[in-house]
Amino acid sequence: QSALTQPASVSGSPGQSITISCTGTSSDVGAYNLVSWYQQHPGKVPKLIIYEANKRPSGVSNRFSGSKSGNTASLTISGLQAEDEADYYCCSYAGSRTLVFGGGTKLTVL
Amino acid sequence: EVQLEQSGAEVKKPGESLKISCKGSGYSFTNDWIGWVRQMPGKGLEWMGIIYLGDSETRYSPSFQGQVTMSADKSLRTAYLQWSSLKATDTAIYYCVRHRLFCTRVVCRLDYCDSWGPGTLVTVSS
Repeated sequence: QSALTQPASVSGSPGQSITISCTGTSSDVGAYNLVSWYQQHPGKVPKLIIYEANKRPSGVSNRFSGSKSGNTASLTISGLQAEDEADYYCCSYAGSRTLVFGGGTKLTVL
Repeated sequence: EVQLEQSGAEVKKPGESLKISCKGSGYSFTNDWIGWVRQMPGKGLEWMGIIYLGDSETRYSPSFQGQVTMSADKSLRTAYLQWSSLKATDTAIYYCVRHRLFCTRVVCRLDYCDSWGPGTLVTVSS
């Protein structure tokens, strides 16, 4: 059970859109639509921003959207704002009542 | 409102034992799956495993199987994570999380973590 693969870092300017990929296998991301995304600001507790690949919890900005194709899930943030600068983690169900996280992506807003 | 309260920070020596806790409030808790997530200093999130509060059934990530033990006391609405012999590499923040399930007519699968505890910092140093 290996960690899902995310880019170590991405960056964008305010107002732009960025996409963070999360690549797994046919045993986790590819097998289920049970991919979630979490945002973590430095020193803070992670916060759920996307679940079941493309659903947004109540209270999460609609600038955050998720998708999945094959073994790769993606998180898109549109209209980048300074407050979006944080670490982002994907997570997928991996069968047999286990989950696996991605390595995390550091988003820098230029 | 769902709240997960975790025990306070710990400083231990290598070889010592430790048990940290996670207490649920604001909802039933006793029919939920509670997970544990490790975050080593400056590193990412790692899913350790889960315990079902109803009957204490557990499932561990292969990376943590045999390294930690998860337990629960339903009457106290509390889940526990314990080590019998700590190592310096156990130094990390440990979060407890509430897992939601995705259920069809035939099966339920682990889904997202909708509530997180504040984390317990465990420092292991000689």
